[in-house]
Amino acid sequence: AQSVTQLDSQVPVFEEAPVELRCNYSSSVSVYLFWYVQYPNQGLQLLLKYLSGSTLVKGINGFEAEFNKSQTSFHLRKPSVHISDTAEYFCAVSLSGGGNKLTFGTGTQLKVEL
Amino acid sequence: GAGVSQSPSNKVTEKGKDVELRCDPISGHTALYWYRQSLGQGLEFLIYFQGNSAPDKSGLPSDRFSAERTGGSVSTLTIQRTQQEDSAVYLCASSLASGRAINEQYFGPGTRLTVT
Repeated sequence: AQSVTQLDSQVPVFEEAPVELRCNYSSSVSVYLFWYVQYPNQGLQLLLKYLSGSTLVKGINGFEAEFNKSQTSFHLRKPSVHISDTAEYFCAVSLSGGGNKLTFGTGTQLKVEL
Repeated sequence: GAGVSQSPSNKVTEKGKDVELRCDPISGHTALYWYRQSLGQGLEFLIYFQGNSAPDKSGLPSDRFSAERTGGSVSTLTIQRTQQEDSAVYLCASSLASGRAINEQYFGPGTRLTVT
C-alpha cells in the first residue's frame, strides 16, 4: 500500500522569505503526485500535480515542486511567500490505474508572518 | 460555473442516530469521491463512484457507512448509528472520467459532522 509522509506539521515563515514544505511517499508501483491547499473554512484546491515528464512542476500562485524518484520525495517550494499563502498544504498520491483515489499526508500548516 | 456543493454545511447529531450527507458534483463529472477529514486520522478516502461501474468501497471504515449515487449525479453518504468517532468533516470531490487519464478532483466545502 502507498503512504505519504509530511514531517513538518507547522512551518512558520516571514513574508517574502522562501519556503519548502517536505513530502515523502512510499509505493511499490508508479504513482502520481499532487499538492493541495486548504484555506480556512474552505475545500481543497489543487496547486500542482506530477504525472510524468519533467520532474520540475510549476503550479498556481508561484508554487513549484520537484519529483525525486531516488529519494521518493515531492517537496513544494515558493521563492517568496505572501501573507495570503497562510493555509494548510496537503501532499497526496494516487496509484497508476488506481482510479484516481488519493492518499493524503497529514498536512503542513504554513503560517506567514509579517 | 457552479462547483461541487455539499449539504448540510454543519450537522450535529446525537450518538446512535442516522445521518445523511449530500453531494452535488459538477455537471458532466462522471467520477465522484468521498473523503473524511478528522483530527486523529487526517484525510482518508472513503468511497469512489465512476459512471455505471461498481463503486470502490475499500475506504469505508465500517458497515455503518454506505453511499449511493443516483442517476450518475447526486450522491448521498449515510452513516447509521453514529458514534463519536464519526465526528469529522466529510468532503466530496468530483472529476471528469477517471481511468487511464488523471483528471483533477474538485472538492466541495465539506460537511462538518459532530456527534454528541
